[in-house]
Amino acid sequence: DVVMTQTPVSLSVSLGGQVSISCRSSQSLVHNNGNTYLSWYLQKPGQSPQLLIYKVSNRFSGISDRFSGSGSGTDFTLKISRVEPDDLGVYYCGQGTQYPRTFGGGTKLELK
Amino acid sequence: EVQLVESGGGLVKPGSSLKLSCVASGFTFSSYGMHWIRQAPKKGLEWIALIYYDSSNKYYADSVKGRFTISRDNSKNTLYLEMNSLRSEDTAMYYCAKSDGGYDYWGQGVMVTVSS
Repeated sequence: DVVMTQTPVSLSVSLGGQVSISCRSSQSLVHNNGNTYLSWYLQKPGQSPQLLIYKVSNRFSGISDRFSGSGSGTDFTLKISRVEPDDLGVYYCGQGTQYPRTFGGGTKLELK
Repeated sequence: EVQLVESGGGLVKPGSSLKLSCVASGFTFSSYGMHWIRQAPKKGLEWIALIYYDSSNKYYADSVKGRFTISRDNSKNTLYLEMNSLRSEDTAMYYCAKSDGGYDYWGQGVMVTVSS
């Protein structure tokens, strides 16, 4: 199975600040079709997860350009700039390249 | 507007069975793969099953293989998860999710509690 390792486990940020979350996979996430199926999700307290970024760097519909994804192969990063109160919650990376699909353990973003 | 609405959860005893449903609307259900993903209390996300748009392929996590069955009825825009031989470690919120590059839409979730 592809193990997804997210760091840090938790992060404190001031409103208006910038943060980065790392996600590393134990195997390359490049699919045979050339696509890399690495996505980022935010789960706000008491809510279902929501898709932020898909295929490494593509923002989902309606997602602010304050969120950006980058990386390749086994090393990926989510950056959030100008952090707002609505950005708080737990962030997960997930891979859709290999079976079984797997998620990182999550990164909790809190206010400093 | 895309909507996914799960139902069928509840409190059951170990060894019991339960069938979850997920009714989809707002998109062409028969064109997309669908997943079940669960989250144990205070824990992270665990993918458990995928079914292709036409039911031609199904994949499972090892933790549920042989006990859970994913299925769909495209005429009813409904996804199912039949769960047998339930264990305490199956206690979780169960989400259905639409597949398109990532899990682009999720249901609100349905709670399954397995306890004697």
